[in-house]
Amino acid sequence: AQTVTQSQPEMSVQEAETVTLSCTYDTSESNYYLFWYKQPPSRQMILVIRQEAYKQQNATENRFSVNFQKAAKSFSLKISDSQLGDTAMYFCAFMGYGGSQGNLIFGKGTKLSVKP
Amino acid sequence: KAGVTQTPRYLIKTRGQQVTLSCSPISGHRSVSWYQQTPGQGLQFLFEYFSETQRNKGNFPGRFSGRQFSNSRSEMNVSTLELGDSALYLCASSLAVRTAAEQYFGPGTRLTVT
Repeated sequence: AQTVTQSQPEMSVQEAETVTLSCTYDTSESNYYLFWYKQPPSRQMILVIRQEAYKQQNATENRFSVNFQKAAKSFSLKISDSQLGDTAMYFCAFMGYGGSQGNLIFGKGTKLSVKP
Repeated sequence: KAGVTQTPRYLIKTRGQQVTLSCSPISGHRSVSWYQQTPGQGLQFLFEYFSETQRNKGNFPGRFSGRQFSNSRSEMNVSTLELGDSALYLCASSLAVRTAAEQYFGPGTRLTVT
């Protein structure tokens, strides 16, 4: 069974600084997708960034980028120029390629606080 | 385009009762997934529906069931409620193409069982 581990329950960063959230996963599949989701205090979960395992290039979305290390099964999220609106729970998630795309396996989450 | 809507937003029920939660996906989305979020267990997959058929199911007891209608709206039902069923229930919709389509989440239904 696949598992996703986020080892940092809470983190804080000063506004405008850079922070990296860690995520490791375990799977025997060779093709899969990895995601970072953000859940602000208002509770609506939104997708931050997505990585397809067969792609070597790390995904980037504006201030958000990932460091995907397939051999190490590591998928960290870097947030540059942190903003107050980045304060939220961040969840790392895994989805197998062959199965239903509805089944996201989430980590426990990292609570990120951006301080002014 | 309207987002995913869930009703009701908050619900208080008593142990032993049953409850039905509703989810309306984004227009054009045919896949609906349900997740349970609790402080202890985190986010756990319940089931996914596509074109009125359950395609995948998580590791939950049979008290948890769902269905999807021809307009892609989905309902989930929990019978014989237990205190441990208190949670935020999230619904997500996607286009469900062959690659992993982005899942758009609703605001959730907060269920409290007393």
